[in-house]
Amino acid sequence: DVKLVESGGGLVQPGGSLRLSCAASGFTFSSYSMNWVRQAPGKGLEWVSYISGSSSTVYYADSVKGRFTISRDDGKHSLFLQINSLRDEDTAVYYCARAYCDDCYSYFQHWGQGTLVTVSS
Amino acid sequence: DIVMTQSPDSLAVSLGERATINCKSSQSVFYNSNNKNYLAWYQQKPGQPPKLLIYWASTRESGVPDRFSGSGSGTDFTLTISSLQAEDVAVYYCQQYYSTPFTFGPGTKLDIK
Repeated sequence: DVKLVESGGGLVQPGGSLRLSCAASGFTFSSYSMNWVRQAPGKGLEWVSYISGSSSTVYYADSVKGRFTISRDDGKHSLFLQINSLRDEDTAVYYCARAYCDDCYSYFQHWGQGTLVTVSS
Repeated sequence: DIVMTQSPDSLAVSLGERATINCKSSQSVFYNSNNKNYLAWYQQKPGQPPKLLIYWASTRESGVPDRFSGSGSGTDFTLTISSLQAEDVAVYYCQQYYSTPFTFGPGTKLDIK
């Protein structure tokens, strides 16, 4: 079975940094594009970033461009999100989500349980 | 950016009755080269991650009960639950994956009447 487990969330001050991780299992990790999607408390879903299987293609939402960096380690079956210059509005549960294919525009077929990032002084 | 809207914001339906949720995109999400609508539906229950229900506007994900169906094309889409069950209480989101940024609708909260 496909399993995605996020970690790395926590309480951080405005302007701070965090590195989120997503450990994947149950599928050939390198063969699928991956995404980060976030959800602020009591709010809807917001796509954050995308990375292709070869890491050759990455995309970011305008709200995080220049502050967030997506990466992956296919050998360790892991996805990462480096988040810098955190703002109050970055407070959210961050989900990793797997595409149905590689290097394609895709729906989010599998989701992790999420990790909570709280930005507060 | 493609803006997704949903209606209604919330609805309450009696058990066994039909529930219908609408989704509209600000531009077409139909890709002529492969004849597909890049539109998905998700269900999210409290405290849980979203769950994929429907993709390509009308293809049901494996394991999803057949009371869930999707329809529509271009800019107008519908999610229908043919006979509401208690476990269907959730928030439902549509999402376009036609272009980046991938965008979601604001969600529709479904309750039992």
